[in-house]
Amino acid sequence: DAKTTQPNSMESNEEEPVHLPCNHSTISGTDYIHWYRQLPSQGPEYVIHGLTSNVNNRMASLAIAEDRKSSTLILHRATLRDAAVYYCILRDEVTGGSYIPTFGRGTSLIVHP
Amino acid sequence: GEEVAQTPKHLVRGEGQKAKLYCAPIKGHSYVFWYQQVLKNEFKFLISFQNENVFDETGMPKERFSAKCLPNSPCSLEIQATKLEDSAVYFCASSGLRRGNTEAFFGQGTRLTVV
Repeated sequence: DAKTTQPNSMESNEEEPVHLPCNHSTISGTDYIHWYRQLPSQGPEYVIHGLTSNVNNRMASLAIAEDRKSSTLILHRATLRDAAVYYCILRDEVTGGSYIPTFGRGTSLIVHP
Repeated sequence: GEEVAQTPKHLVRGEGQKAKLYCAPIKGHSYVFWYQQVLKNEFKFLISFQNENVFDETGMPKERFSAKCLPNSPCSLEIQATKLEDSAVYFCASSGLRRGNTEAFFGQGTRLTVV
């Protein structure tokens, strides 16, 4: 299975942008890059996903490297509510592939007021 | 419904007792996944279903854990003769397709405490 690596933790100040990196050097051509986050005492929550092009939605932006071996989740203005563990995972487009969302350790984001 | 509903939120069992957890996936979703989160941040995949059929059970401890997804009923995860190490938060997720470009939706979890 393709795996991802993320820093254990990152810190940010409120109202500042946050760039959360993820390395996935063994990504296959059919793997989508997904980001989830887990707020304290809650279940994981979908944030965004992409394949090759950068993606934007109301929660965040996803920047994907040209070679797809890394990606960055961008929170444009961090709020205290964004303090969570952020998980970068890969899901295979092809049926029969690694369709099970497989979580690593994620990055704990600390947001300072 | 539009969210994955897990019940109960909390469950306390004495060692050796049975525990049964329930998950109602989002209506229309064919795939259900169960995860165990023991330590902060670490998820262990247990089992997945495609409708009522077990799709992948590679993570299930076979001796004491069992799971079902029957038509028109919530899915269930049952632990016979619980042990202290079964204390964890159990998450259920559902997904509409077995495709990489679809997201999985998670419930709020059931916290099982074995004493």
